[in-house]
Amino acid sequence: EVQLVESAGGLIQPGGSLRVSCAASGFPVSRNYMNWVRQAPGKGLEWVSVIYSGGSTYYADSVKGRFTISRDNSKNTLYLQMNSLRAEDTAVYYCARSYYYDSDDYHSWYFDLWGRGTLVIVSS
Amino acid sequence: DIQMTQSPSSLSASVGDRVTITCQASQDISTYLNWYQQKPGKAPKVLIHDASNLGAGVPSRFSGGGSGTHFTFTISSLQPEDIATYYCQQYDNLPLTFGPGTKVDIK
Repeated sequence: EVQLVESAGGLIQPGGSLRVSCAASGFPVSRNYMNWVRQAPGKGLEWVSVIYSGGSTYYADSVKGRFTISRDNSKNTLYLQMNSLRAEDTAVYYCARSYYYDSDDYHSWYFDLWGRGTLVIVSS
Repeated sequence: DIQMTQSPSSLSASVGDRVTITCQASQDISTYLNWYQQKPGKAPKVLIHDASNLGAGVPSRFSGGGSGTHFTFTISSLQPEDIATYYCQQYDNLPLTFGPGTKVDIK
């Protein structure tokens, strides 16, 4: 079955660190664009980071320098290392696969597979 | 960053009504726009990609249109299972950005 399963989140003190993982099955993470998207309680969706199939990584300004996206191809797992956590990082974190297609005359990029999300609470 | 706005922020309509949501981008994004549906406690699901293409398995009552900076999302005949929040999202440039969402419920 094609699916994404995030690890459990948790309650972290401000300034702390947490690594969340996302185990993929049914497809290789290494050959896809993989993302983290978060949603603060009662709020909208915010894209956090992407790792391209070639390994390049990009981040939202709100997490740049604090969060690191990575993958372990042998475990077919995506990670998000979160350091220097702040109260405003409290959110459900979703991993999401992107469908991506690019040619001279057509470009498509959308999230076609999502995990169920994991709640990270940053609070003292 | 490209800013996305949506209107209305919420709406209430009757079963069978035609519902339209608009999304505006802060700059020209061609047709590089997707629409997602999110039901409470669930992950989002893509309904429309590339502004007007129906996602796999998505009912034909959903449709999208527009290009440049102005986009529309329509439910031709609202059904009870369509109660959800709908988000537009651009992919013209990183960072990928979402609109603030439109919450749809049944009158």
